[in-house]
Amino acid sequence: SQQGEEDPQALSIQEGENATMNCSYKTSINNLQWYRQNSGRGLVHLILIRSNEREKHSGRLRVTLDTSKKSSSLLITASRAADTASYFCATDSSGSARQLTFGSGTQLTVLP
Amino acid sequence: DGGITQSPKYLFRKEGQNVTLSCEQNLNHDAMYWYRQDPGQGLRLIYYSQIVNDFQKGDIAEGYSVSREKKESFPLTVTSAQKNPTAFYLCASKDSFQRGPQHFGDGTRLSIL
Repeated sequence: SQQGEEDPQALSIQEGENATMNCSYKTSINNLQWYRQNSGRGLVHLILIRSNEREKHSGRLRVTLDTSKKSSSLLITASRAADTASYFCATDSSGSARQLTFGSGTQLTVLP
Repeated sequence: DGGITQSPKYLFRKEGQNVTLSCEQNLNHDAMYWYRQDPGQGLRLIYYSQIVNDFQKGDIAEGYSVSREKKESFPLTVTSAQKNPTAFYLCASKDSFQRGPQHFGDGTRLSIL
């Protein structure tokens, strides 16, 4: 079952602009992860935020988590054409057999 | 370099035929996973294995089978019972005792002839 739902489904921006993607989920979680997928390739892990954390940074990435609203956002600052990819959130739910449940993704296009 | 290798990259299946997708990892991970991805959609879990000689059905196991005879290998068979097998198949692994990220292979694209 799809727990995470990303918004928007597609986003097109100019190089240098910031890109924000949102993820909503339904059940309580242990952590939430963001992945990137280039066309025709596997997923690459970007960042993990635990349920007791509110914000996390990694390079040009900033992730926030609001467990009361069951939502997370991924901000990519100063985007580059090479950031063009699909971005997925995935939830690791409390009590699960260490499975991840993936959202449907946001397709980001960064125009040069 | 440590990683996950999926083969073949492209695979074609004839009607009534079973096909097997290979997944090998040298990360010494206990847990391995198979996902199906349809165009423009997220990943759906087919099967997973937490340890050798044990595996569990995911959300869409019907028409698929797996084995886990070795820690490094988790092959997926798409059987003739799977009537809509055209999709992108992704294998992943993880240290099962850590609540951390999964590591993915580069996928196999399966099409019907």
